[in-house]
Amino acid sequence: KAGVTQTPRYLIKTRGQQVTLSCSPISGHRSVSWYQQTPGQGLQFLFEYFSETQRNKGNFPGRFSGRQFSNSRSEMNVSTLELGDSALYLCASSLTQQGYGYTFGSGTRLTVV
Amino acid sequence: AQSVTQLDSQVPVFEEAPVELRCNYSSSVSVYLFWYVQYPNQGLQLLLKYLSGSTLVESINGFEAEFNKSQTSFHLRKPSVHISDTAEYFCASQITSGTYKYIFGTGTRLKVLA
Repeated sequence: KAGVTQTPRYLIKTRGQQVTLSCSPISGHRSVSWYQQTPGQGLQFLFEYFSETQRNKGNFPGRFSGRQFSNSRSEMNVSTLELGDSALYLCASSLTQQGYGYTFGSGTRLTVV
Repeated sequence: AQSVTQLDSQVPVFEEAPVELRCNYSSSVSVYLFWYVQYPNQGLQLLLKYLSGSTLVESINGFEAEFNKSQTSFHLRKPSVHISDTAEYFCASQITSGTYKYIFGTGTRLKVLA
């Protein structure tokens, strides 16, 4: 079956712009989480959605937001981009919320110039 | 508070030698434990997980990990590594009730040398 699909794979944006990243989870998976990965900070949790409801939010400023649609697809948005937002953004889906383990997408590499 | 510590940021090892990647967790409640592997320019892949029962869990590609509650550890081992095992390995925990957030360690970069 198809894995977790993230689009686009690569993105270059200018400071001050906004960006929307998309994630299509594995069919049947209702839990979708987002992580930011950087060499300095490692994997940092952004948010987690389950059945269209945000269940958890990480320690990121309000410029980072997300949502989940009724078909479990998810988007995350970053407004007023800063250079420090350059990172690999990973989406992960899970069949259940606990104990199942994530299936990760290949990520979207965002570069802010 | 929940935390995961991977003490080694890099581990070089020769091909066909054994390897151990260390992971220690801290939590005041029960947790599930996971190991993920990340190859260059890819997302993370689930390697193995401990939920309950037998403390020794195995993956299909020869890795194994042992849950040790008294030492709060979940070290990853492989008796004989291959060049293709070169990757970054992440340990993660998830509490068994309440919030569902996963906590990841900082990763260990395994480099297998010919």
